[in-house]
Amino acid sequence: QVQLQESGPGLVKPSETLSLTCAVSGYSIRGGYFWGWIRQPPGKGLEWIGTITHTGSTYYNPSLNSRINISLDMSKNQVSLKLSSMTAADTAVYFCAVSVDWGSNIDSWGQGTLVTVSS
Amino acid sequence: NFMLTQPHSVSESPGKTVTMSCTRSSGSIASNYVQWYQQRPGSAPTTVIYEDNQRPSGIPDRFSGSIDTSSNSASLTISGLKTEDEADYYCQSYHYDNVVIFGGGTKLTVL
Repeated sequence: QVQLQESGPGLVKPSETLSLTCAVSGYSIRGGYFWGWIRQPPGKGLEWIGTITHTGSTYYNPSLNSRINISLDMSKNQVSLKLSSMTAADTAVYFCAVSVDWGSNIDSWGQGTLVTVSS
Repeated sequence: NFMLTQPHSVSESPGKTVTMSCTRSSGSIASNYVQWYQQRPGSAPTTVIYEDNQRPSGIPDRFSGSIDTSSNSASLTISGLKTEDEADYYCQSYHYDNVVIFGGGTKLTVL
């Protein structure tokens, strides 16, 4: 069973870059799967941010594409998200997630971390 | 990209059956698998249906999924409703150019 744990700052200032980390346990990210990020603004629905494969190929939400960078740290078995030019609209719970097969189920989710954008 | 449209809310009594829909705006609903996730307040989503009609282990057979090409929609049906089924439900699919699409979610009230 893959377990995911997000970490990062709970508060980010407008225009800054958000950096989040997802620690993966129970599986080596170099072994496969599709590692991604999903967010949920307070009281609203789920929004896919992007996904990275174990080989480093990335798929990004077109509406966020110019602001996103998702990467893998094999040595730490972690997945990272950077989202630039943050605004209040980016305030959300950010989830790390993993899928065994692309085109199918999101198999595991982290517990999520709330990020608030405010000066 | 297409959109997945869900009703904002549905309600039904305990013991009854409820069906919620997820309508794809363009392209065939059959082109890509549809998943359904249950999300209780303060928790991460969990899968109740994957690949249109498959149940993960541990999900009771009260939960079932289907697709209807005539209405271009997917449906989640929950029979024998329990108060514990009260939650938000999201459908999810994929666009051919490697984009993940979520529906807006349906709030199920069991009253």
